[in-house]
Amino acid sequence: EVQLVESGGGLVQPGGSLRLSCAASGFTFSGHLMDWVRQDPGRGLVWVARINTDGSTTIYADSVKGRFTISRDNAKNTLYLQMNSLRAEDTAVYYCAREFFGSGRRDFDYWGQGTLVTVSS
Amino acid sequence: DIVMTQSPDSLAVSLGERATINCKSSQSVLSSSNNKNYLAWYQQKPGQPPTLLIYWASTRQSGVPDRISGSGSGTDFTLTISSLEAEDVAVYYCQQYSTTPFTFGPGTKVDIK
Repeated sequence: EVQLVESGGGLVQPGGSLRLSCAASGFTFSGHLMDWVRQDPGRGLVWVARINTDGSTTIYADSVKGRFTISRDNAKNTLYLQMNSLRAEDTAVYYCAREFFGSGRRDFDYWGQGTLVTVSS
Repeated sequence: DIVMTQSPDSLAVSLGERATINCKSSQSVLSSSNNKNYLAWYQQKPGQPPTLLIYWASTRQSGVPDRISGSGSGTDFTLTISSLEAEDVAVYYCQQYSTTPFTFGPGTKVDIK
């Protein structure tokens, strides 16, 4: 069974840092591109970042570029999101999501349950 | 960036009736190389993460009931629930995965009338 379990969320002051983790199981983690997607309270879904299978290529939304870093440890089957210089507008539930592998598809076929990040003084 | 819009914002449908949700992209998500539309639909129930319903605009994900279908091409897409059931109460999002940044529509809330 495919499982994605996020952790690391919490309350942080503006300007602070937080590191999210996403533990993957039930599939060959190293064979899939992975993404972070966030959901602002009461609002919709916003794509945050993407990483390729070996971690050599990353892409970010403009709103987090230069502040957030996506990475992965394929030996530990874990995806990370290092968030620095946090702002109130970064408050959201953060989901890790798996991209389907094959056929050129890039939709998100599995999502974690999410971890809440609250940026407030 | 490709902007995704959805209509309506919400709708209430009687059990057994049809629900139709529209999604429009600001530019075509149809690939000329494989003639596929890079468009997905997700369902999100309260307190849960989104789940994939449809990919390539019209291909049902495994396990999705056949009363849920997707159609459209280019910039205009539709998600149809042919006969609404209580378990279909949720927010539905379209998403383009043609180019980064991947973008989602604002969502359509479906309730029972």
